[in-house]
Amino acid sequence: SAVISQKPSRDICQRGTSLTIQCQVDSQVTMMFWYRQQPGQSLTLIATANQGSEATYESGFVIDKFPISRPNLTFSTLTVSNMSPEDSSIYLCSVDVSSYEQYFGPGTRLTVT
Amino acid sequence: AQSVTQLGSHVSVSEGALVLLRCNYSSSVPPYLFWYVQYPNQGLQLLLKYTSAATLVKGINGFEAEFKKSETSFHLTKPSAHMSDAAEYFCAVSEGFQKLVFGTGTRLLVSP
Repeated sequence: SAVISQKPSRDICQRGTSLTIQCQVDSQVTMMFWYRQQPGQSLTLIATANQGSEATYESGFVIDKFPISRPNLTFSTLTVSNMSPEDSSIYLCSVDVSSYEQYFGPGTRLTVT
Repeated sequence: AQSVTQLGSHVSVSEGALVLLRCNYSSSVPPYLFWYVQYPNQGLQLLLKYTSAATLVKGINGFEAEFKKSETSFHLTKPSAHMSDAAEYFCAVSEGFQKLVFGTGTRLLVSP
C-alpha cells in the first residue's frame, strides 16, 4: 500500500486565478495519476504523470489548463489555471503500487467563485 | 473502448440485509476489475480487485465480488449490511497501462 497526502485539502478561489495542488507519496512510485470528480459525478482521469517525462493527457484535458509537474518519484503537482466555476471539483491524485492497485489521496476540494 | 455501467445510482437496504451493487463492464481484452468505496469527504479506498485469478474475489469489510465473463458482470455483495457501510461505491475497469475507467457510482444507504 501507500500513504498519499494532498495539499491543500480544500480551497475557495476566484475565477481567473490559478491553484497548484500538491501530491506526496510515502514511497517511490513510477506512475502517478490525477483525476477530477465533479459534484455528484464519477472520477475522470485528467493525466498520467511519469517521472522524467511529459505528462500524458486524456481527451478533453490540455496542458495549458492543467499543467503537471513530476520532479521525483514521490511528488507531483497539478495546477488548475485560469479557473472558472466549472472547475469546481474534487481533484484526486493516485499512485500505482503493484498489480494494478491504485491508491488514492484524500482529494482537494476546489470551489471557484 | 472500455466502459463500466453501474445500475442504480442509489441502493437502500436495512441493517443486516444483503447488499448487492451491480456492475457491468465492456472490454475488448480480458479486464482487470475493481471496486472502490468513498466515504463522505474522503478519497477512494480499494475494496477488492479481479486480475484473472479466482473468479470469486474477497475484499475488505466482508465484501466480495464475482467475475462472470458470460454476463460481463462484476457485482459486489455483502451478506449483512452495517450502518458503517453507507458510502459511495465505484466499479472500475482497466485494460492495462494502469488507466482506470470508473462507473458513475452507487450510493448505498443503510437504515436501522
